[in-house]
Amino acid sequence: QKEVEQNSGPLSVPEGAIASLNCTYSDRGSQSFFWYRQYSGKSPELIMSIYSNGDKEDGRFTAQLNKASQYVSLLIRDSQPSDSATYLCAVNEGSGTYKYIFGTGTRLKVLA
Amino acid sequence: DVKVTQSSRYLVKRTGEKVFLECVQDMDHENMFWYRQDPGLGLRLIYFSYDVKMKEKGDIPEGYSVSREKKERFSLILESASTNQTSMYLCASSLRGATNEKLFFGSGTQLSVL
Repeated sequence: QKEVEQNSGPLSVPEGAIASLNCTYSDRGSQSFFWYRQYSGKSPELIMSIYSNGDKEDGRFTAQLNKASQYVSLLIRDSQPSDSATYLCAVNEGSGTYKYIFGTGTRLKVLA
Repeated sequence: DVKVTQSSRYLVKRTGEKVFLECVQDMDHENMFWYRQDPGLGLRLIYFSYDVKMKEKGDIPEGYSVSREKKERFSLILESASTNQTSMYLCASSLRGATNEKLFFGSGTQLSVL
């Protein structure tokens, strides 16, 4: 059974701090990794994608991938109350497939 | 602006009814997906489709079927609704391209089966 694991939280951080969200996956054949943000009552929206080992930065967001450890993380710098949401990690099921496995999500609360 | 539109935001049905959930995308995407989302269980794939008239089972297809007669439309059918199918249903689409294409989600249908 291929799995994506996330801590459900809530993860509480003060405004302006760095929020660190983590995700591990079981399928070594996975090639594409995504972070989606989901506000309460809304559908998920993509915020970051990463495909190779290392860091990828986009504004206040940094995705980190370590394929050897099967680990993906998302850092949010200068966290804002508007960042309070559930963050879903998604991993493609393996080579040559368009299927994605989602983690159960980490709820982030940024305290003003 | 790209769009995935689901026909209903909220739906209430009775046990045993046949239920149709419709999804339309205007992005000319080849891939379309149906997920359900339940608290503590995350998003689980029910069915997906790579092309017109093509369908593949996801992780939890039991009790569901799908139809894709046109590229832009992907329908989810609950043949005989049961209370354990009460859930949020999310439709998504993506380009076929490489395997790194992101998913675009519809706004979801909250289905209650009484």
